[in-house]
Amino acid sequence: QKEVEQDPGPLSVPEGAIVSLNCTYSNSAFQYFMWYRQYSRKGPELLMYTYSSGNKEDGRFTAQVDKSSKYISLFIRDSQPSDSATYLCALTGTASKLTFGTGTRLQVTL
Amino acid sequence: DAGITQSPRHKVTETGTPVTLRCHQTENHRYMYWYRQDPGHGLRLIHYSYGVKDTDKGEVSDGYSVSRSKTEDFLLTLESATSSQTSVYFCAISGPSGGAIEQFFGPGTRLTVL
Repeated sequence: QKEVEQDPGPLSVPEGAIVSLNCTYSNSAFQYFMWYRQYSRKGPELLMYTYSSGNKEDGRFTAQVDKSSKYISLFIRDSQPSDSATYLCALTGTASKLTFGTGTRLQVTL
Repeated sequence: DAGITQSPRHKVTETGTPVTLRCHQTENHRYMYWYRQDPGHGLRLIHYSYGVKDTDKGEVSDGYSVSRSKTEDFLLTLESATSSQTSVYFCAISGPSGGAIEQFFGPGTRLTVL
């Protein structure tokens, strides 16, 4: 069993929809939870990160962590075609090395 | 790309040949990382460095070596390339706070081993 599981998609939604992207994990030592966005043939870029449980909001993006269920989510409101990318979750416990999910490919259609 | 360049950007080589990939940063950050990205596996850490001449192994380090003689350069070497090392390789540096949490990635090197 992988430490971090992420549905590869693709997930196709119409413009303006609310998108929910998720990861589950098995290692209870993870304390920091990150979301990266990767456009095709580009390097990943950090969207946001949270420490421990709770929610964090940044514009149209909301990250949510439920440590009791070992489940993290990224919500995108009012999705745009420019949000079409692969979204990777990343986790760490010691802040020295990251463990990445395999990524979910998102397609936002007009 | 946060002042990170990778060279070469594309390379095709043959099995058994040595290959060196270079990562160069202009941010003066302490931590640097090498990852490979493959379908179905996501990003996997090969090696990382926490200072000049200070390096450590990641989860997929077999067949790879690294060197860091200057803060700005982190080299990844495949001593004898194999077809299983065909991949996209990304270099990353950590943000100003140090540690692994905020990582900034380079544009990647696409390596094909025939």
